[in-house]
Amino acid sequence: DTEVTQTPKHLVMGMTNKKSLKCEQHMGHRAMYWYKQKAKKPPELMFVYSYEKLSINESVPSRFSPECPNSSLLNLHLHALQPEDSALYLCASSQAPPPDTQYFGPGTRLTVL
Amino acid sequence: AQTVTQSQPEMSVQEAETVTLSCTYDTSENNYYLFWYKQPPSRQMILVIRQEAYKQQNATENRFSVNFQKAAKSFSLKISDSQLGDTAMYFCAFTALYNQGGKLIFGQGTELSVKP
Repeated sequence: DTEVTQTPKHLVMGMTNKKSLKCEQHMGHRAMYWYKQKAKKPPELMFVYSYEKLSINESVPSRFSPECPNSSLLNLHLHALQPEDSALYLCASSQAPPPDTQYFGPGTRLTVL
Repeated sequence: AQTVTQSQPEMSVQEAETVTLSCTYDTSENNYYLFWYKQPPSRQMILVIRQEAYKQQNATENRFSVNFQKAAKSFSLKISDSQLGDTAMYFCAFTALYNQGGKLIFGQGTELSVKP
């Protein structure tokens, strides 16, 4: 089973709201990733967790706050976002250490008003 | 720097025909993986095929096959008997043993339309 799930599928929020995106995998993978993707562009890496520890932060603004409560779950906490943060947010997981195949979730389509 | 280049922003093919998508990459690494991902309008990123650099044999998955030319740093995807469901954005991607955290380097994508 190569399934990564993400909730919610769609999210609309105001610039003063606080919301969270959730990602879950049950493949025993020990690396999990957050990507941001604009339409017709490749995904941009935001964060990498390896063995539940943050290993990469690609200079993402602090209004995005990742959290890895356990090896199966990955959250992305959102606060005081800007309209330009509207995008598809993709979660992925893989075995660790690299290189290995990353399996993606269906994404959360975020709109910031 | 490691880069992935897809030189065809858009392509189209008639249903049941064969199409080849191009990808070149640049790296000084020896141990790496190459991937083709498909992203249909639903925007789920789906793994199509994977190639390990140490394997000389080209990977195949049903109607999908690659032509991996390591010396030329080329990794093209051939889709045989194209189907309407193959309509999607296709991304070529690369990751190497020493890429911190297994970072995937993506090309800019090729938008493929399969016409009936």
